Formats: sequence, C-alpha cells, structure tokens
Amino acid sequence: AQKVTQAQTEISVVEKEDVTLDCVYETRDTTYYLFWYKQPPSGELVFLIRRNSFDEQNEISGRYSWNFQKSTSSFNFTITASQVVDSAVYFCALRPASGGSYIPTFGRGTSLIVHP
Amino acid sequence: DGGITQSPKYLFRKEGQNVTLSCEQNLNHDAMYWYRQDPGQGLRLIYYSQIVNDFQKGDIAEGYSVSREKKESFPLTVTSAQKNPTAFYLCASSRTSGLRREQFFGPGTRLTVL
Repeated sequence: AQKVTQAQTEISVVEKEDVTLDCVYETRDTTYYLFWYKQPPSGELVFLIRRNSFDEQNEISGRYSWNFQKSTSSFNFTITASQVVDSAVYFCALRPASGGSYIPTFGRGTSLIVHP
Repeated sequence: DGGITQSPKYLFRKEGQNVTLSCEQNLNHDAMYWYRQDPGQGLRLIYYSQIVNDFQKGDIAEGYSVSREKKESFPLTVTSAQKNPTAFYLCASSRTSGLRREQFFGPGTRLTVL
C-alpha cells in the first residue's frame, strides 16, 4: 500500500519569506514517481514537477526547489522569497513506476497563505 | 492549445435529480479520471478509465456512473443515490505508457445540491 503524508495542514507566511512544504511517503515499490501539484483558488490543479525514484538530484526552477531524500522518504518543496501569487493548496503525490498501475496516491494537501 | 475542459463550472441540482458533468480532453491521453474534493480535503478517486468502453471504480464510486464511448470524453453522472453530492469535481487525464504519465487536470465543476 502507498501513503503520502503532508503533515502541515496550513502555513501562513509574509511575502518574501522562504517556506518549505513537507511531503513524506511510504511505498513498497522499488521504483516510483513523485509529483507536486498547485491548486490556486480557481480550483484547477497545476502540475509542477515529476521526480523519478532513481534520480535523487535536487531540482530548482526559479523560486521553486525540490529536495528528494530517499533515505528519509521525503520530497520537500521550498518556495524562496514567497509572493502573494504563491497562495494555494499544494499536493504531493506518489505513483509506482512499474506494474501497470498509474493511479497516483495524493496527500491531503498543504494550504499556503502568503500575506502581503 | 491542448487541454482538458469541464462544463459547467457551477451546477445546481435539486435533491432527487441526476446531473451529468462533462469532461473533454484533446491531449490524446488514453486514461481519464474523476475525483471529488470536499472543503479542506484531498482528492478522492471516483472512477477511472484506461481505454474506450472500459472503466473501473475508484474509492468512492457509489452513487456515480460514467461512460467512455470516445477517447476524448468521460462524462460523470451524479445520481440521486449519491447522498451528499455537494462538492468540487475534478476531471484528469494522463498517458498510460512512457515516462510522462503525470495527470493533467481540468478546471473543475462545483456542484451544489439545493
């Protein structure tokens, strides 16, 4: 069975602060994919990143960075110099890489509120 | 532009009525999905389909029905048997082969039962 835990239900920061959203996962699969999605107030989930379990390199995209640590089963997401437009619910998800299953398991989401 | 469209954006239903939510994609994806999201909650899978004319129940299929007559379309019917249908419904699609199997989502339909 797979499980994704986003322990932070809500985070509130002031603009320009850095913020890290935690994601811890459980899986018996040796290869898998991890994802982050952003859900702004409009409701649509926007795909942010996919990470393969065999690639532990951290990734940076502008103000966004992701820290994947297989040893601790974590895939944390950091926003540097947060902006009001970053206010959204962020979901972490996990899917096996083999076996034919492509249904991801989602965490319950972390609501990020960035105050001006 | 490729993407997923859902209609309507807002839907109001009287108790006892069936309603159908539309989902169309032009991404040429084989798989399509329906999720339900309640306030402050994560996503719960209702139904999914890997191929035309085939679909499987998700975690909360009771009170819902789907069809997959075309690759591009995966409508969801919320029946009167669904006891608490007020929620936000999200449709998604994905490839079923290759590396890029992440789901892409539509804008959602907010259903309110009056």
